[in-house]
Amino acid sequence: AQSVSQHNHHVILSEAASLELGCNYSYGGTVNLFWYVQYPGQHLQLLLKYFSGDPLVKGIKGFEAEFIKSKFSFNLRKPSVQWSDTAEYFCAVADGGFKTIFGAGTRLFVKA
Amino acid sequence: DAGVIQSPRHEVTEMGQEVTLRCKPISGHNSLFWYRQTMMRGLELLIYFNNNVPIDDSGMPEDRFSAKMPNASFSTLKIQPSEPRDSAVYFCASSPGGLSKNIQYFGAGTRLSVL
Repeated sequence: AQSVSQHNHHVILSEAASLELGCNYSYGGTVNLFWYVQYPGQHLQLLLKYFSGDPLVKGIKGFEAEFIKSKFSFNLRKPSVQWSDTAEYFCAVADGGFKTIFGAGTRLFVKA
Repeated sequence: DAGVIQSPRHEVTEMGQEVTLRCKPISGHNSLFWYRQTMMRGLELLIYFNNNVPIDDSGMPEDRFSAKMPNASFSTLKIQPSEPRDSAVYFCASSPGGLSKNIQYFGAGTRLSVL
């Protein structure tokens, strides 16, 4: 069965620090990969996605993620975080069927 | 488009009462998902529909939970009888078909408190 593992449950950074959130999945076939963000009190929204092609994908608000197939990883990065990036971040994997598996989430707190 | 619309936004009820949560997916989307989010268990998929047909309800916790999708523009999640451990935020999401079928668009959620 598919599973998604997010390495950190909580991350605290100061503004301007660099961010990398780890995500690993278990599935041997072709996958679609996602990062969603949930700002405090709000619903999940898509941050970026990977379907095929260039393994380095860019999303909204300066976020990017790199798909490394050999490592079954899809880590999220941002060079310089802002206070407004405080949110919970979810990695998600779909095998092309209807179902998407979400990771447990990483809560990011950015200190102003 | 207004996005996925859920109602009510907040629901407070007493143990044993019936609770019905409602969802209107984005027009033209083929799939609809119900999730439950709690601090302890994170985001859990309860059930999903494709073209109004339930495909996988293995995440529904017990028989007290039921979901329907009578048409392409409406779905309900019902809990009867409700229990305090059902307190959570319930999200509905919809997906388009085709190449973007795995992209999910979430509603604002219903925060349920069962006293």
